[in-house]
Amino acid sequence: DVKVTQSSRYLVKRTGEKVFLECVQDMDHENMFWYRQDPGLGLRLIYFSYDVKMKEKGDIPEGYSVSREKKERFSLILESASTNQTSMYLCASSPSRNSPLHFGNGTRLTVT
Amino acid sequence: KNQVEQSPQSLIILEGKNCTLQCNYTVSPFSNLRWYKQDTGRGPVSLTIMTFSENTKSNGRYTATLDADTKQSSLHITASQLSDSASYICVVTSGGSYIPTFGRGTSLIVHP
Repeated sequence: DVKVTQSSRYLVKRTGEKVFLECVQDMDHENMFWYRQDPGLGLRLIYFSYDVKMKEKGDIPEGYSVSREKKERFSLILESASTNQTSMYLCASSPSRNSPLHFGNGTRLTVT
Repeated sequence: KNQVEQSPQSLIILEGKNCTLQCNYTVSPFSNLRWYKQDTGRGPVSLTIMTFSENTKSNGRYTATLDADTKQSSLHITASQLSDSASYICVVTSGGSYIPTFGRGTSLIVHP
């Protein structure tokens, strides 16, 4: 079974802090994604990567950056956390375009 | 713009009853449609995939249908169980795209 592991289930940070969310997948998948999920809004794509060192902006990249130095790891960075970034963050991976996404269990981030 | 609309937004049913969730999409060109189940506190998990040529597909008590002409899909749950309480998300992928389009989900609550 594919395993996508997110480093933290819950995280509380202060406004202005730099925040790192880590995601690791163990199935050699090419594609990795970061989403945020908010009540009533569903999942919204922040960034995705289809190869090592490659990244593409999703629908809501403002305030975020990403890093993919190794195939198995995709990091989401909040350069200066703000309260409107309080959300559930979900990482996903897939081997190809038409394959299902395999999700981690999410990181619930609270910015105070 | 590609869009996926789901209805109802939420649904409450009694254990043992059947229910049907709806998904309408405007994604073009169409490649496939997936239904995901997301349990509380977990990431979404793929239940079933529908391609252009498929009308109906079953996965245990879950049956998905697709009408590619009207761009509608449904997910029918038979003899509901308490464990069916979850959010059900319709996701449509267009041909040649890495990025699937997500619906906002239907929240299903099954009461004993």
